[in-house]
Amino acid sequence: DAGVIQSPRHEVTEMGQEVTLRCKPISGHNSLFWYRQTMMRGLELLIYFNNNVPIDDSGMPEDRFSAKMPNASFSTLKIQPSEPRDSAVYFCASSLGGNPNYGYTFGSGTRLTVV
Amino acid sequence: GQQVMQIPQYQHVQEGEDFTTYCNSSTTLSNIQWYKQRPGGHPVFLIQLVKSGEVKKQKRLTFQFGEAKKNSSLHITATQTTDVGTYFCAGQAAGNKLTFGGGTRVLVKP
Repeated sequence: DAGVIQSPRHEVTEMGQEVTLRCKPISGHNSLFWYRQTMMRGLELLIYFNNNVPIDDSGMPEDRFSAKMPNASFSTLKIQPSEPRDSAVYFCASSLGGNPNYGYTFGSGTRLTVV
Repeated sequence: GQQVMQIPQYQHVQEGEDFTTYCNSSTTLSNIQWYKQRPGGHPVFLIQLVKSGEVKKQKRLTFQFGEAKKNSSLHITATQTTDVGTYFCAGQAAGNKLTFGGGTRVLVKP
């Protein structure tokens, strides 16, 4: 298994531009999570899906952020318009809910820089 | 909302020495998980503890879940340079949502 695949690995964009981050979870995993990591705030859960349905989006900072999961093998996180304070590493993770042996599997992350 | 705190934030360890990092939750947990993130990498799952008072070992790492299921610890013996990284605990209270602690960043002096 290739693990959780995120793209792009790095993204540099200008303030005001739209940014789309992509994630392919592990096949068979029924839960998908988007996290943001910064030095100041650590790992923050933005949103998570169970069986493609958004369950908790209370961590989404504001209306500029949106996430979709159109099917079991793909999810996107969109920021529109982007701002410098959105600069962070964004991780996607997936899990097989209820399995005590594997926890979350994280992707390699997308390092976003907004200038 | 649920909060998970870890101490210390930083741990400088001489190679060969032992150390412990601690994790405390503001709410009772159904389980707690530990992850390791190497510099420049992503969090990697280490272990999950479910039962009150549970103790699990992975080679030089010993994980413990408190009796009240609100705290946990990770003890590493005979630290090696390969132990460098940030260790996160993550608590699960309800549903499938994990709340991560701030992490303990471990630096090893050879």
